[in-house]
Amino acid sequence: IAGITQAPTSQILAAGRRMTLRCTQDMRHNAMYWYRQDLGLGLRLIHYSNTAGTTGKGEVPDGYSVSRANTDDFPLTLASAVPSQTSVYFCASSERMNTEAFFGQGTRLTVV
Amino acid sequence: GQNIDQPTEMTATEGAIVQINCTYQTSGFNGLFWYQQHAGEAPTFLSYNVLDGLEEKGRFSSFLSRSKGYSYLLLKELQMKDSASYLCASMDSNYQLIWGAGTKLIIKP
Repeated sequence: IAGITQAPTSQILAAGRRMTLRCTQDMRHNAMYWYRQDLGLGLRLIHYSNTAGTTGKGEVPDGYSVSRANTDDFPLTLASAVPSQTSVYFCASSERMNTEAFFGQGTRLTVV
Repeated sequence: GQNIDQPTEMTATEGAIVQINCTYQTSGFNGLFWYQQHAGEAPTFLSYNVLDGLEEKGRFSSFLSRSKGYSYLLLKELQMKDSASYLCASMDSNYQLIWGAGTKLIIKP
């Protein structure tokens, strides 16, 4: 089934630990995004990639890094997790930057 | 600055019509998106407006006024499955989406 897949679905992580959230799409979309969603706030863009090999910073990039080695994969890494990074993380992709985005099912991350 | 405002919560009756409003302030506006998000699930695309006017898609319609920085999502013949959050997002000059906090729509029988 074509779409966008995130892993893991949920995770409890000790503060200070390193964690990589995985995201894979098979729609050959050029653009990919990482958002976090917190109660009472809109989705906030962490990092994005317009095309394979390029990445950019979004609204809240601090403490996160990404890579885009190929079209399909866009992992998000927390180098040293802190409790404020407790959130639901959504990966999304779109054919181009100005077209509708398709979202993964989300990763619920709790940092304790 | 860039800003999106939409009501936090609305309640409507099954079979009725509801209008969810969204106002925005976006530099270099490149269009307005509406997404639906059921509790615990991912957002799914509903509509995109870049020109003024009404776009109709089945029971859902979306309206845009660029001069007023205003959009609304109109849902007709409400069904219980329409209970969800509705997210308004405007696209800026860098093609980045600025998201509202969402409107939680509660449908009552």
